[in-house]
Amino acid sequence: NAGVTQTPKFQVLKTGQSMTLQCAQDMNHNSMYWYRQDPGMGLRLIYYSASEGTTDKGEVPNGYNVSRLNKREFSLRLESAAPSQTSVYFCASSRTYRDSYSPLHFGNGTRLTVT
Amino acid sequence: GQQVMQIPQYQHVQEGEDFTTYCNSSTTLSNIQWYKQRPGGHPVFLIQLVKSGEVKKQKRLTFQFGEAKKNSSLHITATQTTDVGTYFCAGPTGGGGSQGNLIFGKGTKLSVKP
Repeated sequence: NAGVTQTPKFQVLKTGQSMTLQCAQDMNHNSMYWYRQDPGMGLRLIYYSASEGTTDKGEVPNGYNVSRLNKREFSLRLESAAPSQTSVYFCASSRTYRDSYSPLHFGNGTRLTVT
Repeated sequence: GQQVMQIPQYQHVQEGEDFTTYCNSSTTLSNIQWYKQRPGGHPVFLIQLVKSGEVKKQKRLTFQFGEAKKNSSLHITATQTTDVGTYFCAGPTGGGGSQGNLIFGKGTKLSVKP
């Protein structure tokens, strides 16, 4: 039972390069999320998908795009990477967005460095 | 906007000492969740509190939800080296019991000296 799987685990980009972070969950969850974690800043929501076919901005969406490919997969794209996007990125899923009893399940994270 | 604040930011304890982290929200929360992140790891869900004044225990961990549902605490009795990590509280932005987006506190990083 893999849970939430993120790829890649590590990535180094040069400023201006693009890349896509992949995320897949096998728990049949409806809702998926992308967070970034920076030292001293906690976890901040970038984008989320409450259900298949929908996506919405979170707290820090600038510079990112997302795609909910199907119920299992939710990708995050950096079109033109900037040093400020150096961070650890976590994908998460929950059974449903509209349920108080629905904790988040996180992937192992992607450590991204932009030089 | 809504904020969730956690104190302290760091806590260093001797193994066997107790530890407490506090979480305060600027608004009333429908529920609060606690997560633990081991060094180099990902956040892992610990517990959710829903009712005003609720107290839940998990072995040496005691979680409390304030009467006004605006604050919460996590207390660890007799810390062990396995307790090392960062503890986050998180509350939903949505009202009326909906999940909404979770707002995370910045976490309390616990280190335990053997």
